[in-house]
Amino acid sequence: QVQLQESGPGLVKPSQTLSLTCTVSGGSINSGNYYWSWIRQPAGKGLEWIGRMYSTGSTNYNPSLKSRVSISVDTSKNQFSLRLSSVTAADTAVYYCARHGPSGSYYPWGQGTLVTVSS
Amino acid sequence: DIQMTQSPSSLSASVGDRVTITCRASQSISNYLNWYQQRPGKAPNLLIYAASSLQSGVPSRFSGSGSGTDFTLSVSSLQPEDFATYYCQQGYSTLGTFGQGTKLEIK
Repeated sequence: QVQLQESGPGLVKPSQTLSLTCTVSGGSINSGNYYWSWIRQPAGKGLEWIGRMYSTGSTNYNPSLKSRVSISVDTSKNQFSLRLSSVTAADTAVYYCARHGPSGSYYPWGQGTLVTVSS
Repeated sequence: DIQMTQSPSSLSASVGDRVTITCRASQSISNYLNWYQQRPGKAPNLLIYAASSLQSGVPSRFSGSGSGTDFTLSVSSLQPEDFATYYCQQGYSTLGTFGQGTKLEIK
């Protein structure tokens, strides 16, 4: 079964770029015509969809973050990545990667990784 | 953007109780409605997709219903492991917005 694992720095300075990678195991990222998404959750708050990538490499982003976000894929490593530029404390959150399931759902999810924006 | 509103925001119940959580969409989303359970420190887990389809491996005490703008998640007989936060999420539009969550606590 497909499993996802996020990785990347846990601490990013304000105004810098947050970079995270999601490694997919148990299946190929460019097979099955799936969307792959990034979602985040500030501590004690709800879930916010950041953006998604299709298996062909096309992308869609949350309009509220569109000017700062980029999602890319490395099929040779079976990974997809998130870059969020010009971060502030408001970007501090647990970041999850997930594959899309039926009805536009998200399944499965990675375990999540906490990113703190602080100097 | 499609707004998702859950009620109540929190709920106290006892083991064995039946509970229902409601989710309302700001516009019709057909049956593109999904429910998740999130335990502290864990990733959300898909329970119900397409409003009423039970995800594989999820206990049958969980059920979902609704279409259009109004949806419900029911748990028929609460077990200790069910005390968690529940989120609805619409999959109708690209921006798959979530409800604000319902925290289910032990009475």
